[in-house]
Amino acid sequence: DIQMTQSPSSLSASVGDRVTITCRASQTISSYLNWYQLKSGKAPKVLIFAASSLQSGVPSRFSGSGSGTDFTLTISSLQPEDFATYYCQQSYSTPYTFGQGTKLEIK
Amino acid sequence: QVQLQESGPGLVKPSQTLSLTCSVSGGSISSGDYYWSWIRQPPGKGLEWIGHIYYSGSALYNPSLNSRVSISLDTSKNQFSLKMTSVTAADTAVYYCARDSFSSSWYWFDPWGQGALVTVSS
Repeated sequence: DIQMTQSPSSLSASVGDRVTITCRASQTISSYLNWYQLKSGKAPKVLIFAASSLQSGVPSRFSGSGSGTDFTLTISSLQPEDFATYYCQQSYSTPYTFGQGTKLEIK
Repeated sequence: QVQLQESGPGLVKPSQTLSLTCSVSGGSISSGDYYWSWIRQPPGKGLEWIGHIYYSGSALYNPSLNSRVSISLDTSKNQFSLKMTSVTAADTAVYYCARDSFSSSWYWFDPWGQGALVTVSS
């Protein structure tokens, strides 16, 4: 199985801050990397697919980059609704695997 | 707009079988070349992909759960289902259903259901 490692596991930030979350794959996965936002009691939401493609309807303050083994999710200016947990996921091969999550909290 | 909703018992006894159904609205489960997935999240832990089923009915499972899991389609009801046998407390989790959306060779999970908490306890 491909192991996905996210960092940091938690992050405190303020509204308006620029935030970056990192995801590293245990082997090369080309650009087969997706990012999700999870909030308690709500359906999870895809933000970025194929490493850098913004899902329709997702605000442009979210962006993704990387290829091979190293990837980043950046939120350019945090909004109150962005405080949530974020997961990366590889779709290079089954079993699909996720990072352990990054909990983004209000400072 | 496709929407998914999980349903099933919230409490299952150890050693019994967990059964969940995902109802799909806004689109047909048997069209569009889609896979349909189950994903779970134990309390305080990360996400685990359980497996998926193709619109034609063929399924693939996570080897870590392979021997205990089966996923099936009911096209007449526009639903797909998960069965997990011999459950233990470690199977306590929020269970999500999702569609494997795709573009060319890229796959991602979208949309998702809101999730259903299943607790394994006597």
